[in-house]
Amino acid sequence: QKEVEQDPGPLSVPEGAIVSLNCTYSNSAFQYFMWYRQYSRKGPELLMYTYSSGNKEDGRFTAQVDKSSKYISLFIRDSQPSDSATYLCAMSGDDKIIFGKGTRLHILP
Amino acid sequence: NAGVMQNPRHLVRRRGQEARLRCSPMKGHSHVYWYRQLPEEGLKFMVYLQKENIIDESGMPKERFSAEFPKEGPSILRIQQVVRGDSAAYFCASSPLKGAGGYEQYFGPGTRLTVT
Repeated sequence: QKEVEQDPGPLSVPEGAIVSLNCTYSNSAFQYFMWYRQYSRKGPELLMYTYSSGNKEDGRFTAQVDKSSKYISLFIRDSQPSDSATYLCAMSGDDKIIFGKGTRLHILP
Repeated sequence: NAGVMQNPRHLVRRRGQEARLRCSPMKGHSHVYWYRQLPEEGLKFMVYLQKENIIDESGMPKERFSAEFPKEGPSILRIQQVVRGDSAAYFCASSPLKGAGGYEQYFGPGTRLTVT
């Protein structure tokens, strides 16, 4: 079992819809959970990070962590065409960051 | 405050040549990380450096690859005798925080290496 599993997509949703992106992981030592957004041929951009379990909201974005299920989610409300990108989940304990492979998201105008 | 800078953005090398990738961290950041990204693959950690020290190189191939972060100047990732399999995007990230957990990592635009 890989440390971090993420559906590569692509995921296509109409503009204005709520988007749900998810990752599962196997290492219970992970404490920090991050979401990065990467536009084509650009570097990843940190969107949000969460420490341990719980929810965190920032504008249209909400990150959720369920450590008991080893499951993290990113929700995007009122999705916009500019949200079209690859979203990478990432997590770490005291060591290096482990990234998921990324989910390609297309928001259809 | 300028972001993380990487150069060159694109690099073409023939098999057997050397590739040298440079990374200037954000101002005030003394922790640098190098990652490799292959098509359809996630980011893979290669090496974590602080000024004049390699902290963790567990993700870097033992042969042909080396990295440094001198007291003055940018961090450099060096690939000797490149092979086609080295073709990838190489990203540098910097952080103000100690420790490779470094959840506050800021990425550069990457160097896309093509080996012909």
